Amino acid sequence: DVKVTQSSRYLVKRTGEKVFLECVQDMDHENMFWYRQDPGLGLRLIYFSYDVKMKEKGDIPEGYSVSREKKERFSLILESASTNQTSMYLCASSLDSASSYEQYFGPGTRLTVT
Amino acid sequence: GEDVEQSLFLSVREGDSSVINCTYTDSSSTYLYWYKQEPGAGLQLLTYIFSNMDMKQDQRLTVLLNKKDKHLSLRIADTQTGDSAIYFCAESIRSTDKLIFGTGTRLQVFP
Repeated sequence: DVKVTQSSRYLVKRTGEKVFLECVQDMDHENMFWYRQDPGLGLRLIYFSYDVKMKEKGDIPEGYSVSREKKERFSLILESASTNQTSMYLCASSLDSASSYEQYFGPGTRLTVT
Repeated sequence: GEDVEQSLFLSVREGDSSVINCTYTDSSSTYLYWYKQEPGAGLQLLTYIFSNMDMKQDQRLTVLLNKKDKHLSLRIADTQTGDSAIYFCAESIRSTDKLIFGTGTRLQVFP
């Protein structure tokens, strides 16, 4: 079974702190994604990566950055957390475009910024 | 741009059928998906349909695709309390590996 793990289930940070959210997948997938989920808005793509050291902006990249130094690990960074970044963050991975594009999700990190 | 729309809530009685609807805008989508999210968990793939199909059945689940109207539906037969969750439809975007997700439909099953 594909397994996608996220470093924390719940996180509470203060405004202005630098926040790291870590995601690891164990199936040698090329693609990795970071989404945020907010009620009534569904999932919105923040950043994604097709390969090591490669990243592409999604629909809402402002206030976030990412790092992919190893194929299995994709990190989301909030340089200076703000209250409007309080949300559920979901990481996902998928095989390359030769597959059915199915994405496998981690359990999510609920981040609260106070 | 791409947009996927769903109604936000659906409430059904246990044992009845549930139908969750979705409309999408990208006519070049290759695959369309249904994901389920249980409380406090990530998303799990329930089923998907290739764009050249109009129906797919998998046990209690039936997916119908109307490409002309860009309409996708998920029917759950004999709905159980364990089916209570948020259901997301998603479309693949041709020439990328991205998926576009809908807002999610919260299904509540009552006895």
